Amino acid sequence: GAGVSQSPRYKVAKRGQDVALRCDPISGHVSLFWYQQALGQGPEFLTYFQNEAQLDKSGLPSDRFFAERPEGSVSTLKIQRTQQEDSAVYLCASSLGGTGRDTQYFGPGTRLTVL
Amino acid sequence: GNSVTQMEGPVTLSEEAFLTINCTYTATGYPSLFWYVQYPGEGLQLLLKATKADDKGSNKGFEATYRKETTSFHLEKGSVQVSDSAVYFCALSDSTGNQFYFGTGTSLTVIP
Repeated sequence: GAGVSQSPRYKVAKRGQDVALRCDPISGHVSLFWYQQALGQGPEFLTYFQNEAQLDKSGLPSDRFFAERPEGSVSTLKIQRTQQEDSAVYLCASSLGGTGRDTQYFGPGTRLTVL
Repeated sequence: GNSVTQMEGPVTLSEEAFLTINCTYTATGYPSLFWYVQYPGEGLQLLLKATKADDKGSNKGFEATYRKETTSFHLEKGSVQVSDSAVYFCALSDSTGNQFYFGTGTSLTVIP
């Protein structure tokens, strides 16, 4: 079956622009995670959804970052007024169960470059 | 807070050599521990996991044992192959299951 997909795969934004990154999880998966991965680093947790409920958003680096999953399926990560330090790969992962203890299936990521 | 510290790379080994990648963690409560792997050109995927102390996770010849007394989850393989060349990430899920923490990753290259 289809895995986790993310779009766009690459995004170039000018500083100050708003961007929206989309994640399509595996159908039926309850949990959805967003991560930010800087070059040469491990993924850093941003936020977690269980169905449509955002249970944890403690990793979002500032109030410019906002995530939603309104129908418990597709999720969107929005970054307002992008800054150069936002340049990174943004990964989405989903899992069948309701916690991070379950196997997470990762998408290919969206590489964001802010000029 | 919760965190994962893993051995810095890169690591280069000859085929059939023994592999150890060290991972230690800091966590409150009862975390679950994971090794994820990223092969060249591919996305992250689960390699193995352990959900409680003394559990051993294993897959594809890799093993790791959840040691609460030393707060460690070292990855081992007795005989590596060229196809094991990848970046390996140690990770933990906190007690709630709502947060997830990765180490910085260790790049492994296996040469014939």
